[in-house]
Amino acid sequence: EAQVTQNPRYLITVTGKKLTVTCSQNMNHEYMSWYRQDPGLGLRQIYYSMNVEVTDKGDVPEGYKVSRKEKRNFPLILESPSPNQTSLYFCASSLMDPNTGELFFGEGSRLTVL
Amino acid sequence: AQSVSQHNHHVILSEAASLELGCNYSYGGTVNLFWYVQYPGQLLQLLLKHFSGDPLVKGIKGFEAEFIKSKFSFNLRKPSVQWSDTAEYFCAVNYNNNDMRFGAGTRLTVKP
Repeated sequence: EAQVTQNPRYLITVTGKKLTVTCSQNMNHEYMSWYRQDPGLGLRQIYYSMNVEVTDKGDVPEGYKVSRKEKRNFPLILESPSPNQTSLYFCASSLMDPNTGELFFGEGSRLTVL
Repeated sequence: AQSVSQHNHHVILSEAASLELGCNYSYGGTVNLFWYVQYPGQLLQLLLKHFSGDPLVKGIKGFEAEFIKSKFSFNLRKPSVQWSDTAEYFCAVNYNNNDMRFGAGTRLTVKP
């Protein structure tokens, strides 16, 4: 089954404790992206990647890192989480960039930073 | 910076009522336009998209949207909603530089 898989789905952590949210897709998509969803703000892009070893900042990259060592994986790293990073995070992938292909979303990862 | 505005935060309708959800975006040259939907407990999924050509596009489940370039709008419509249309709807705009911007979302509740 074609899908985008995120882990963990739910996480409660404390300020400053490094964490990684994994994202994996099995559709051989070049494009992958991370978004955060906050009430009243919609989905805001954090980082995106056009292909392996190519990543770019989105709208709200501060406090986040990403890597794209393999085509299927695009982990989101929070080196020192802070409470303002409490949010619902979505990973998405697309066959090409979003200009021409639809985004396929993961189920979301709800993160709480205390 | 480019932005996408959805005018309605929460819309409540009765079944068979007509629906129109507003979406406006800031100018940014050539744009590609999308509506995504998130049904309760399900993944975000594409409802419809407009890249070029006919400004009126049809999507799944009887939805359609009209691109009005002069008004920077891409409103979503459905003539007769059903209870199963209860969901959150997101307008999204891609400004050709992979800057995919989403609106804040509109929660639609359809009463049976």
